[in-house]
Amino acid sequence: AQSVSQHNHHVILSEAASLELGCNYSYGGTVNLFWYVQYPGQHLQLLLKYFSGDPLVKGIKGFEAEFIKSKFSFNLRKPSVQWSDTAEYFCAVISSGAGSYQLTFGKGTKLSVIP
Amino acid sequence: GAGVSQTPSNKVTEKGKYVELRCDPISGHTALYWYRQSLGQGPEFLIYFQGTGAADDSGLPNDRFFAVRPEGSVSTLKIQRTERGDSAVYLCASSPLSTTKQETQYFGPGTRLLVL
Repeated sequence: AQSVSQHNHHVILSEAASLELGCNYSYGGTVNLFWYVQYPGQHLQLLLKYFSGDPLVKGIKGFEAEFIKSKFSFNLRKPSVQWSDTAEYFCAVISSGAGSYQLTFGKGTKLSVIP
Repeated sequence: GAGVSQTPSNKVTEKGKYVELRCDPISGHTALYWYRQSLGQGPEFLIYFQGTGAADDSGLPNDRFFAVRPEGSVSTLKIQRTERGDSAVYLCASSPLSTTKQETQYFGPGTRLLVL
């Protein structure tokens, strides 16, 4: 069974600080990887996703993530956060081979950006 | 265009009662998913439909949970004999075709269920 670990439960940053949120997955085969974001009072929405090719993936709102296969990691980064980035961030994985279409999510990281 | 909608947004019920939660996917989306999110956790998979049929129901916790999608559009998640442990936010998502696992799943706002 696949699983996803997000190392930080709650991260607090000042505006303009750099962000890196950790995500590690456990799965023996090839995977597709996603980062979703949930802003306060809103529904989950996709930030970015990785299937193949360039392991550095760029998403919306200046976010990017790097897939490191040897480390089973897909960390999310942003060079300079804004107050509007305050939200909860979820890493998710789906096996790219045969089998279920279910997404497996991590527990999420809550990001608070202080103006 | 309209996104995934879910009704009701909130549901309070008593232990032992029956509840139905509704999901309207994005028009034309073939695949529909139900997840459950408990406090402090990420969403957990319950069931996935491809068209009218349940392609994977391995996440349903027990036989009190059942979901249908009779016409391949709207889906209803049904919970019998609710227990306090069923309290959670129930999320619905849809995707266009789901013949590839690269598709984005588009999530609705969820139904917050509280069992007293």
